[in-house]
Amino acid sequence: GENVEQHPSTLSVQEGDSAVIKCTYSDSASNYFPWYKQELGKGPQLIIDIRSNVGEKKDQRIAVTLNKTAKHFSLHITETQPEDSAVYFCAASNQSGGTSYGKLTFGQGTILTVHP
Amino acid sequence: NAGVTQTPKFRILKIGQSMTLQCTQDMNHNYMYWYRQDPGMGLKLIYYSVGAGITDKGEVPNGYNVSRSTTEDFPLRLELAAPSQTSVYFCASKKRFGGKSQETQYFGPGTRLLVL
Repeated sequence: GENVEQHPSTLSVQEGDSAVIKCTYSDSASNYFPWYKQELGKGPQLIIDIRSNVGEKKDQRIAVTLNKTAKHFSLHITETQPEDSAVYFCAASNQSGGTSYGKLTFGQGTILTVHP
Repeated sequence: NAGVTQTPKFRILKIGQSMTLQCTQDMNHNYMYWYRQDPGMGLKLIYYSVGAGITDKGEVPNGYNVSRSTTEDFPLRLELAAPSQTSVYFCASKKRFGGKSQETQYFGPGTRLLVL
């Protein structure tokens, strides 16, 4: 089955700096890669996703890049703000049908702290 | 839409007790999932369902049971609670098809369970 590794486990930055979180996956059939943000006491919320036919996607201060050959993808947050502090999870899924039923395999999570 | 709702928010169980974690979604989603999240770890899939009357095991199904009698509800049953089941439980749902959003899982706020 799919295995997703996420690094770093904790990341501390100053407000205004950039933050980068990296994930690798093992199953070359995976074709959908979402990123979730989880605030304290809440469920994960989707912040951005990318499909395997795209190399990069941006949404304001957030961007995700995908390297299918190397099987890794990354989340980039620019101009970080204290409200970006949360746990971030990457995930991978094969959305092509069959028996996968869109199951997500999650990375271990990164605790991001943005200091004012 | 309320989205995905879960009850209770928090529960303490004694070893050997049983309980049902409730999950309801009002988005008419076909797919529903149960995950557990242990401290410092990503989410692990317990059970999933692709529609009413159809359920299947995920990565960590032992000690749990599910049912899906309606599209809206997907309860998770713990029959004989054990300390190893202390965790935060998240329910999620997604569309079967319908454009880009078909790939996105929407999560509930979680149920925190402590087994003593």
